[in-house]
Amino acid sequence: EPEVTQTPSHQVTQMGQEVILRCVPISNHLYFYWYRQILGQKVEFLVSFYNNEISEKSEIFDDQFSVERPDGSNFTLKIRSTKLEDSAMYFCASSSLGGVNTEAFFGQGTRLTVV
Amino acid sequence: AQSVTQLGSHVSVSEGALVLLRCNYSSSVPPYLFWYVQYPNQGLQLLLKYTSAATLVKGINGFEAEFKKSETSFHLTKPSAHMSDAAEYFCAALNQGGKLIFGQGTELSVKP
Repeated sequence: EPEVTQTPSHQVTQMGQEVILRCVPISNHLYFYWYRQILGQKVEFLVSFYNNEISEKSEIFDDQFSVERPDGSNFTLKIRSTKLEDSAMYFCASSSLGGVNTEAFFGQGTRLTVV
Repeated sequence: AQSVTQLGSHVSVSEGALVLLRCNYSSSVPPYLFWYVQYPNQGLQLLLKYTSAATLVKGINGFEAEFKKSETSFHLTKPSAHMSDAAEYFCAALNQGGKLIFGQGTELSVKP
């Protein structure tokens, strides 16, 4: 069964460092998303991406964040200069269609720890 | 703006007992609603979804949920809990842009 894969499963980084979280969406999907879940809190939407551009982003997704689909298979989330409060589980998701009547498939997540 | 509220961050039931996880939504338009389950160290797995076709929705693993517009609710139930149901459950609403808005999550514990 096709699945969304994320690497690494756990990343520890020092405050101020850049991190890149990687995702391989399901191959025929066209819509891509990043969500995050701070420990003990709800899952929050970060950004959606379609046709090589951002469709929507939340207020969390400030200038320190960027997304890219560099090679047609990977979908990456970059945090330019990490802060302690960026520590969270980051989930990538993809769907074949956008909007309603579509199911988003989630990866297993990358746990980012900023020290 | 849409919001999703899950009542009870922790629910504990005995094996074989009824599972009831509560979810309420606020939306100015009919929502599309989902329940996801997250097992330890795993991603989010879709349990079931409501897309206005039927108010009672059946999902995987014996779970079902009923959409009640008058109560703005989409509670998740299972008649008989199994130990393997222990996990975190998230209710979510889909906005028109395809963005999921999640509730706070409910951790379900199942006692033998």
